[in-house]
Amino acid sequence: RKEVEQDPGPFNVPEGATVAFNCTYSNSASQSFFWYRQDCRKEPKLLMSVYSSGNEDGRFTAQLNRASQYISLLIRDSKLSDSATYLCVVNRESSYKLIFGSGTRLLVRP
Amino acid sequence: DVKVTQSSRYLVKRTGEKVFLECVQDMDHENMFWYRQDPGLGLRLIYFSYDVKMKEKGDIPEGYSVSREKKERFSLILESASTNQTSMYLCASSAIRGQGAPDTEAFFGQGTRLTVV
Repeated sequence: RKEVEQDPGPFNVPEGATVAFNCTYSNSASQSFFWYRQDCRKEPKLLMSVYSSGNEDGRFTAQLNRASQYISLLIRDSKLSDSATYLCVVNRESSYKLIFGSGTRLLVRP
Repeated sequence: DVKVTQSSRYLVKRTGEKVFLECVQDMDHENMFWYRQDPGLGLRLIYFSYDVKMKEKGDIPEGYSVSREKKERFSLILESASTNQTSMYLCASSAIRGQGAPDTEAFFGQGTRLTVV
């Protein structure tokens, strides 16, 4: 079983739609959780950290469920510019090693 | 503006060559990482360094070694390049998280696309 698992997609949604991605992780000792965004042929960049209480940044909401070991990302009012691959990232136990999921591809169409 | 710089964007090497990929960060970060990214497999950690001269193996260290002689520089070495090492290589750095401080993000270089022929 992969340490961090994501549905590869693609998720193909119209502009204005709400879309949600889930990511599961296998190591219950993980402490840090992130969503990164990667545009085609570009490097990954931090979208948002995921906190235990859940957090929101504009149209983006991240949730953490420790009991079920998954994190989620909700995007409201999708824009064309949201088209990208979204990477779920978890630290390995108490170290600073960051483990990436394979990514979920989002395509927002006009 | 924070910066992680990888020495080459594109590299073509022959099988059996020794290959050096260089990465420099200007943020005084303690942690540095080397990943490779392949379609369908995502980013896989090759090596990690948390301090000068300190290194830890990641998930796929075979065929690679690293060097961290200075805090700002982390080099990935392919001892004898093989065709299955054709990939996108990404370097990243992050700071040590202080007690009670929020999680720190990793900053990536633009990647080196290595082709081994």
